[in-house]
Amino acid sequence: GDQVEQSPSALSLHEGTGSALRCNFTTTMRAVQWFRKNSRGSLINLFYLASGTKENGRLKSAFDSKERYSTLHIRDAQLEDSGTYFCAAGNSNNRIFFGDGTQLVVKP
Amino acid sequence: DPKIIQKPKYLVAVTGSEKILICEQYLGHNAMYWYRQSAKKPLEFMFSYSYQKLMDNQTASSRFQPQSSKKNHLDLQITALKPDDSATYFCASSQVPQNYAEQFFGPGTRLTVL
Repeated sequence: GDQVEQSPSALSLHEGTGSALRCNFTTTMRAVQWFRKNSRGSLINLFYLASGTKENGRLKSAFDSKERYSTLHIRDAQLEDSGTYFCAAGNSNNRIFFGDGTQLVVKP
Repeated sequence: DPKIIQKPKYLVAVTGSEKILICEQYLGHNAMYWYRQSAKKPLEFMFSYSYQKLMDNQTASSRFQPQSSKKNHLDLQITALKPDDSATYFCASSQVPQNYAEQFFGPGTRLTVL
């Protein structure tokens, strides 16, 4: 979308390795969410941040409203991590914008 | 047990017809939303409801009408269907009625208009 630039659009990792996904915002956002779309098309909530960082297992996310970006780090990737990852951010005008998604494939 | 139910999962309709997409949430949330995802595009916000009242509408066409019979229901009626309406429609909910609040999504209804 115009308000959110998500990168990379596609990512291939070998099991056990890691990488980072990033969303840059064109305006100041109040909060960001990260989702994973599973093989059945359902959106799984990963993180919700209004600021700072959060960590959950092998995933870690950061959000810097002032610098207008958020990241999602994956370490020790597993096969079941494969899927499409989305960020979504909401601004003070009560608008929410989604990134185009990152298609992650984890290979043995 | 699924906390947000959308029915049906798949829907095929003919041009000009009318369909209703069903959404029920059992999270006890006060706000509900509809989003659309067309092929090769990011999710787009359509509507938000809080306590069964319309909060925000970013859908240009009046052919899309949300209907809320209960606080935990927000159906989407689409009239005079067009092939361009083909998309996956996601329902979501949040505790706090703000678009930047944490939202939880249903599994989606994939609509194909022939």
